[in-house]
Amino acid sequence: EVQLVESGGGLVQPGGSLRLSCAASGFTFSSYSMNWVRQAPGKGLEWVSYISSSSSTIYYADSVKGRFTISRDNAKNSLYLQMNSLRDEDTAVYYCARAYDGDYAHFDYWGQGTLVTVSS
Amino acid sequence: AIRMTQSPSSFSASTGDRVTITCRASQGISSYLAWYQQKPGKAPKLLIYAASSLQSGVPSRFSGSGSGTDFTLTISCLQSEDFATYYCQQYYSYPPTFGQGTKLEIK
Repeated sequence: EVQLVESGGGLVQPGGSLRLSCAASGFTFSSYSMNWVRQAPGKGLEWVSYISSSSSTIYYADSVKGRFTISRDNAKNSLYLQMNSLRDEDTAVYYCARAYDGDYAHFDYWGQGTLVTVSS
Repeated sequence: AIRMTQSPSSFSASTGDRVTITCRASQGISSYLAWYQQKPGKAPKLLIYAASSLQSGVPSRFSGSGSGTDFTLTISCLQSEDFATYYCQQYYSYPPTFGQGTKLEIK
């Protein structure tokens, strides 16, 4: 069974940093590209970042470019999102999501999400 | 970025009804379109990919159609568990973008 479990969310002040993790199991993690998608309270879904299976290709949403860094450790079956210079508008539930096949793919499995709250 | 527009944003229906949700892309996306269902407090769940392919394990009452710029999600016979919010998503180009969502409520 495919499982994605996020962790690392919490309350942080504006300008602060946080590192999210996503632990993967039930599939060959090193063969799949991964994404982070977020959802602000009461709002819709917003794609945040993408990383290919070998980390050779990385994309970011304009809203987080230069502040967030996506990475992965295939030996540990883990995906990460380092978030710096956090703003109020980064408050959201952050989901990791598996890309079905390659760079241009739908998201076939999602984690349960971790809440990040940016507030003073 | 490609803009995805869903209609309606919300509506009420009864169990047993046939419902259709529309998604329009601001430019052609071929069939690079997915539909997700999300219930309160839960992660989105993939229903349809490649515009019309049913994800494994999803009931056959869900179907998708369309290509280019206009797409539809149809639920042929609403069940109580189908009341949720539905999102379309294009993955034709980066950034992947979602529609604003369609909230389906019980009449």
